[in-house]
Amino acid sequence: NAGVTQTPKFQVLKTGQSMTLQCAQDMNHNSMYWYRQDPGMGLRLIYYSASEGTTDKGEVPNGYNVSRLNKREFSLRLESAAPSQTSVYFCASRGVSSGANVLTFGAGSRLTVL
Amino acid sequence: AQRVTQPEKLLSVFKGAPVELKCNYSYSGSPELFWYVQYSRQRLQLLLRHISRESIKGFTADLNKGETSFHLKKPFAQEEDSAMYYCALSSFSGNTPLVFGKGTRLSVIA
Repeated sequence: NAGVTQTPKFQVLKTGQSMTLQCAQDMNHNSMYWYRQDPGMGLRLIYYSASEGTTDKGEVPNGYNVSRLNKREFSLRLESAAPSQTSVYFCASRGVSSGANVLTFGAGSRLTVL
Repeated sequence: AQRVTQPEKLLSVFKGAPVELKCNYSYSGSPELFWYVQYSRQRLQLLLRHISRESIKGFTADLNKGETSFHLKKPFAQEEDSAMYYCALSSFSGNTPLVFGKGTRLSVIA
């Protein structure tokens, strides 16, 4: 099993450009999440989807949109990128795997906005 | 409101010394506490969770509801323990997203 797969791994944007980060999981998990990781700030929740068809804002949603395309896929879109969105983005899914209800992370997407 | 506090940004210890990474939380209901670890150039992975009461890679963590703490401990640090450690919390039912602390970078010096 691949677990949680994110694309792209790296991206450089200019201010004002748009892009979509893709995430897919093959563990049949109901919940999916997008976090950003910044030095000294830890992991902060951007958006999450508790189940297919629902999405909710997290701690830092401004400047982002999400789509839960189906149970497997949860994308994060930056409509007009800003330098403050330079970060490492992690997708995660949560569900019962091997008997435990835990969060499983993707490898991360490093985004630089110039 | 849910909050996780990791007071140390960086913790440096010598190989073979005991390690304690501190985590305090604030939560009004019944929490589930986790420790996640991120080794260099690797994805975040679960280290342990309080309900499993396991020892993983020599690490243990006990939930102290009176002190609202979930400190991570290891009696003898190894160089391969050097990593970023995150404490996290969610509702016991698993219906709320995990809230993470800001992380502690552990550096084990040979």
